[in-house]
Amino acid sequence: DAGVTQSPTHLIKTRGQQVTLRCSPKSGHDTVSWYQQALGQGPQFIFQYYEEEERQRGNFPDRFSGHQFPNYSSELNVNALLLGDSALYLCASSLAGGYSNQPQHFGDGTRLSIL
Amino acid sequence: RKEVEQDPGPFNVPEGATVAFNCTYSNSASQSFFWYRQDCRKEPKLLMSVYSSGNEDGRFTAQLNRASQYISLLIRDSKLSDSATYLCVVSLNAGNNRKLIWGLGTSLAVNP
Repeated sequence: DAGVTQSPTHLIKTRGQQVTLRCSPKSGHDTVSWYQQALGQGPQFIFQYYEEEERQRGNFPDRFSGHQFPNYSSELNVNALLLGDSALYLCASSLAGGYSNQPQHFGDGTRLSIL
Repeated sequence: RKEVEQDPGPFNVPEGATVAFNCTYSNSASQSFFWYRQDCRKEPKLLMSVYSSGNEDGRFTAQLNRASQYISLLIRDSKLSDSATYLCVVSLNAGNNRKLIWGLGTSLAVNP
C-alpha cells in the first residue's frame, strides 16, 4: 500500500526561477492538499485539488499554481521565486475532501532552498 | 485571536514524566480534531484523532471540551522518543469543502 510520495526531496533554485513539485497520493485517495512549512512554523495551507479542480485556496499569491491529473497525482508550480519561498513543501492526501473528516496523510516533503 | 492556538513551548520534561498539551480553537462549528506529531525536518504524522468522548491509545490520551473549545493531549510515562513537535489540527466544513486549520505546534523535549 503505497503512501504519499513527493519528488524531488531537495531542490535548490535562485530568485526569479520557476519550480515544479510533484506528488502522488496514497493509494485510494482522491484529494491532494499542498502546504508550505517554514522552519519553526506549522504547515500553511496553499490549496487543495479534488476532481482535477482547485477546491480551496489559502492566502498565497497567484505565483503559486497547481494541477491535478486524472490519476489523482498533483503538481505545485511556483513562479518568480523569492527568498521567502524557501521552505518545506508538504503534500497531503485524503479521501473525498469535500465531506470526509478523514485525516490527511503526508508525504516526506520537498525541501526548497532559494539562493 | 488565532483560529487555533497552542503553547509553543518548549516543554522540557524528564523521562517518565506526564505532560499535557492544550489547544484552543475559535470556531464553535469545528467538527473534527486531530493531533499530529512532527519530528525535526520530517513530515507531520497522524498521532490520533480526538473524539467527543475522549480516547486513549497506549500512553496517549486525547480529550475534547466543546464548551470551552479546547482539545488536550496527555502523554504518560514519557519516553525519549516522544521528543517532537505536536500539532493540533481542527477541521470544519466551509461550504462544500472541508477546511483544516493547523496550530503552530508545541515542542516537547524528553530528557534522560
